[in-house]
Amino acid sequence: GENVEQHPSTLSVQEGDSAVIKCTYSDSASNYFPWYKQELGKRPQLIIDIRSNVGEKKDQRIAVTLNKTAKHFSLHITETQPEDSAVYFCAAVGDDKIIFGKGTRLHILP
Amino acid sequence: NAGVTQTPKFQVLKTGQSMTLQCAQDMNHNSMYWYRQDPGMGLRLIYYSASEGTTDKGEVPNGYNVSRLNKREFSLRLESAAPSQTSVYFCASSEARFHYNEQFFGPGTRLTVL
Repeated sequence: GENVEQHPSTLSVQEGDSAVIKCTYSDSASNYFPWYKQELGKRPQLIIDIRSNVGEKKDQRIAVTLNKTAKHFSLHITETQPEDSAVYFCAAVGDDKIIFGKGTRLHILP
Repeated sequence: NAGVTQTPKFQVLKTGQSMTLQCAQDMNHNSMYWYRQDPGMGLRLIYYSASEGTTDKGEVPNGYNVSRLNKREFSLRLESAAPSQTSVYFCASSEARFHYNEQFFGPGTRLTVL
């Protein structure tokens, strides 16, 4: 079946450094790629998304890049802060389905 | 606006018991979804309702049924609970179905089946 692979499963970075999370999808019909952040014990919330006709999108300290040919997309967080500690999920969305990656637990070290 | 609400927050069932998880949204969204979240598995779609009056299977529908009661409410029923259904269940809604639409999640229901 269709799947989304997300790496790494755990990531620890020093406060102020950058973090990169990568996802690979298999369904060529996917055309929308959101990223959700879930803090401990809370609900997932959308932080950024990208459509298939766009290669890169940026919103302050976060950015997403998409390589449709390679079926890769990545989340970049710069100047990380303690409040960035959370689990991040990527997803690949098509007309009638959404497949999430298994998540990346990001730890920001003081 | 309360956004997406779910009841109950916690539930413990015995194997074979039934229960219904309730979800409501006040954002006038057309589409609603039910997910389960298991450790290390991410979010998996159980069922969705693209619009009032329609429901469709997601990735893991076995053992569940849903009802789109009206535009606001979308319930998930476990007819005969099994330990494999121990999970955190999230309801979500969006303006329209799937692509290009942000999904807004409820607070979740933590279900344990003994």
